[in-house]
Amino acid sequence: GNSVTQMEGPVTLSEEAFLTINCTYTATGYPSLFWYVQYPGEGLQLLLKATKADDKGSNKGFEATYRKETTSFHLEKGSVQVSDSAVYFCALGVSSTLGRLYFGRGTQLTVWP
Amino acid sequence: EAQVTQNPRYLITVTGKKLTVTCSQNMNHEYMSWYRQDPGLGLRQIYYSMNVEVTDKGDVPEGYKVSRKEKRNFPLILESPSPNQTSLYFCASSSGHQNTGELFFGEGSRLTVL
Repeated sequence: GNSVTQMEGPVTLSEEAFLTINCTYTATGYPSLFWYVQYPGEGLQLLLKATKADDKGSNKGFEATYRKETTSFHLEKGSVQVSDSAVYFCALGVSSTLGRLYFGRGTQLTVWP
Repeated sequence: EAQVTQNPRYLITVTGKKLTVTCSQNMNHEYMSWYRQDPGLGLRQIYYSMNVEVTDKGDVPEGYKVSRKEKRNFPLILESPSPNQTSLYFCASSSGHQNTGELFFGEGSRLTVL
């Protein structure tokens, strides 16, 4: 089946620290991979995506590389800011279920000044 | 502006009192879906729709109904709400293209069932 496992939080960091949130997946076929971010009191919004192996998605200083050999899509940022405090969701989509994404459980990130 | 609009944003109700959460999108998307978000469980899909008059169950459909009479609207119906349906609900839409797959989410509806 299709599923996503991401590291459990909460993750607490000081400003300018390095961030890694691990995400691994199981999928039938060749999935597209996504990271979504949910700021307090808001809906989810797409942060970045990658649609094939070895693609790197990037946005707002965040990066993730689609690693087929390790079935992973880890989210990284070199220097986090207080404004990055949010919940981060890893997700996958497959062609057999168009319009649907499979989400991980989310990782709460808190950044202190 | 492209958006998914849900109403109400907040609702407190009592067990057994039927309610409907509306969802509307202005992007002409074929796919629409409902998720619930609960602490420690992440997002779980309730129902989804591939087009007008085509709907299917997600992972947690019990206690919910949906309809898709028009492309832009996808209401979520709780015929007889119970306290275990207290949750944060999100509607989402998508064009369904394989290489994008991006979901557009509403701002959420926080429901409390007493």
